[in-house]
Amino acid sequence: SQTIHQWPATLVQPVGSPLSLECTVEGTSNPNLYWYRQAAGRGLQLLFYSVGIGQISSEVPQNLSASRPQDRQFILSSKKLLLSDSGFYLCAWSLRDRDNTEAFFGQGTRLTVV
Amino acid sequence: SQQGEEDPQALSIQEGENATMNCSYKTSINNLQWYRQNSGRGLVHLILIRSNEREKHSGRLRVTLDTSKKSSSLLITASRAADTASYFCATDDEAAGNKLTFGGGTRVLVKP
Repeated sequence: SQTIHQWPATLVQPVGSPLSLECTVEGTSNPNLYWYRQAAGRGLQLLFYSVGIGQISSEVPQNLSASRPQDRQFILSSKKLLLSDSGFYLCAWSLRDRDNTEAFFGQGTRLTVV
Repeated sequence: SQQGEEDPQALSIQEGENATMNCSYKTSINNLQWYRQNSGRGLVHLILIRSNEREKHSGRLRVTLDTSKKSSSLLITASRAADTASYFCATDDEAAGNKLTFGGGTRVLVKP
C-alpha cells in the first residue's frame, strides 16, 4: 500500500537560519507531488507542484524553494527563514491520472520561526 | 487566488442536525473533491465527484455538483461530535496537469 512520510512534525528555527523539510512516498511510481502551507485557521496555499524528477512549478513567489531529486522524494528548502515563513506545511501526492486525482497527505510539519 | 472558496467559513450545530457547506470555483474541472482535516493534522479525502456527475453519496455524506454554476455542496446528515473538523473542497486544473487547488475551508463544530 502507498504511504507518505513527512518530517519533522514540529520545528522551531531562528530567523535567518536555513530550512529543509523532506517528504517521501512509498508504494507508487511517478506521483504528482505537492507542498502546501496553511496559516492558523486558514485554507491551504499551494506552494510547489511537481509532475516529475526535476520538474517544479512554483505557485507563489517567496522565500522558499523545492526540489525533487528522486521520483518519490520532495524537499522544501529555504536559505534564510523569515518570521512570515511560520506555518503548517503539508506534503501530498496524487496519481498522475486525470480521472483519479485524490490526494494523500502527510501529517504535516509545524514550523515556528522565532 | 484560491480556486475553491467555501461558504460558510464556520458552522456550529447540535449533534443530530445536518451540516451543509458550499464551494464555488472558477475554472473548468475534471472533478471536485472534499477533504476533512482534524486540528493540526493532514487532510483526509472524503469523496470525489466527477464533472459529469450531479450527485454522489457516501455514508452520511451527500455531495452535489452544478458545473453551470461552478459550485458544489457537501451535506453531512445526522451529525456527530466526531464530525467536528474543517472541511475543504479541492478542484483539479486540467490545463495545469491536474494540480489540486484547495479553498479556505469551513470549520464545523458539532456540539454534543
